[in-house]
Amino acid sequence: DAGVIQSPRHEVTEMGQEVTLRCKPISGHNSLFWYRQTMMRGLELLIYFNNNVPIDDSGMPEDRFSAKMPNASFSTLKIQPSEPRDSAVYFCASLFRTSGRTGELFFGEGSRLTVL
Amino acid sequence: AQKITQTQPGMFVQEKEAVTLDCTYDTSDQSYGLFWYKQPSSGEMIFLIYQGSYDEQNATEGRYSLNFQKARKSANLVISASQLGDSAMYFCAMERRSGGYQKVTFGIGTKLQVIP
Repeated sequence: DAGVIQSPRHEVTEMGQEVTLRCKPISGHNSLFWYRQTMMRGLELLIYFNNNVPIDDSGMPEDRFSAKMPNASFSTLKIQPSEPRDSAVYFCASLFRTSGRTGELFFGEGSRLTVL
Repeated sequence: AQKITQTQPGMFVQEKEAVTLDCTYDTSDQSYGLFWYKQPSSGEMIFLIYQGSYDEQNATEGRYSLNFQKARKSANLVISASQLGDSAMYFCAMERRSGGYQKVTFGIGTKLQVIP
């Protein structure tokens, strides 16, 4: 089975432009997480979904950020308008939630965003 | 609120020696889980080990073991017989199980360098 697939792997854009990052979780996984990684702040949880429903978006930095999960196999993270401080690596991760022991949180390879 | 603390920004270890990476956490939940992930310079996130709060024995996976001290709220990672390939960032993470959902947040990481 393919792992978590993210696109694009690299994105360079100018300040003010809209950026859309995409994620395809592992088939059968019912929880999806978006993280942002920077040197200063480490891995920050932005938002997570369970069964396509956003559960906690308290980590979304501001209204310029939005995330959707229209179906079980696709999620987007959008930044509009983008700013240089949004430059980071954005990771998507998924897992299969059960009532018992948690399974491994599987990560995509990340999308490296540079906003000039 | 839950919090993960990794107090060692960087660590050095001699090849073939053992090393302990510290992680403390703060939660009022009774049921939770703790993860360790490795991030080499290539950037991918690699799952190492998982410990549930109700697991009576410390988790072990090959050369990795998790020294879980519940009363002290610590979940240190022990790597035995260090190898050059162990040089990487290491992240401790906590899974909070609340309301049937699983929220996974990460510490800021420890950079481990293995010296030949």
